[in-house]
Amino acid sequence: NAGVTQTPKFRILKIGQSMTLQCAQDMNHNYMYWYRQDPGMGLKLIYYSVGAGITDKGEVPNGYNVSRSTTEDFPLRLELAAPSQTSVYFCASSYGDRRQETQYFGPGTRLLVL
Amino acid sequence: GENVEQHPSTLSVQEGDSAVIKCTYSDSASNYFPWYKQELGKRPQLIIDIRSNVGEKKDQRIAVTLNKTAKHFSLHITETQPEDSAVYFCAASNNDMRFGAGTRLTVKP
Repeated sequence: NAGVTQTPKFRILKIGQSMTLQCAQDMNHNYMYWYRQDPGMGLKLIYYSVGAGITDKGEVPNGYNVSRSTTEDFPLRLELAAPSQTSVYFCASSYGDRRQETQYFGPGTRLLVL
Repeated sequence: GENVEQHPSTLSVQEGDSAVIKCTYSDSASNYFPWYKQELGKRPQLIIDIRSNVGEKKDQRIAVTLNKTAKHFSLHITETQPEDSAVYFCAASNNDMRFGAGTRLTVKP
């Protein structure tokens, strides 16, 4: 199994541009998550999904959108990028009925907005 | 929602010494407490977790203790080695997992 994969690894955006961060998992996990990690800080939940077709906001959803059309994929969309969105983005997945199981993280996407 | 505080933010120990990292949480309904290790430039990886029906859990050199009454839990690393150097994150969850800000552990050879 590849586990959780993310693309791209690194991206530079100009203010106002848009992009989609890709995330995929091959473990048949029902839960998927998007976090951002600012320098020297912990992980903040942006959005999560309990299964295909179902998404919900986390702590810091403003400026982002998600969709979950399949069990495997959970892309994160940034519209009108702002410098405050400069961060490392981690996708994660877990299996279970509630969000209380081990989360497996992807390698991260480093985003710089200039 | 849940709020997790983690201390200390940085910790430096000599190789072979023990290291202790402490976290407090606010939601008394939280019942799952994982610890993640993140090496520089890498993804967070689970090292140990504990559920609220258990007071202590051990896995070789690492252990976690949980005090539900006081709403705090701790990570204990014994016989530290240079490869233990990393950032450690605690988290607490009751269907809404929140992470602490992290502890940068440096183990000096």
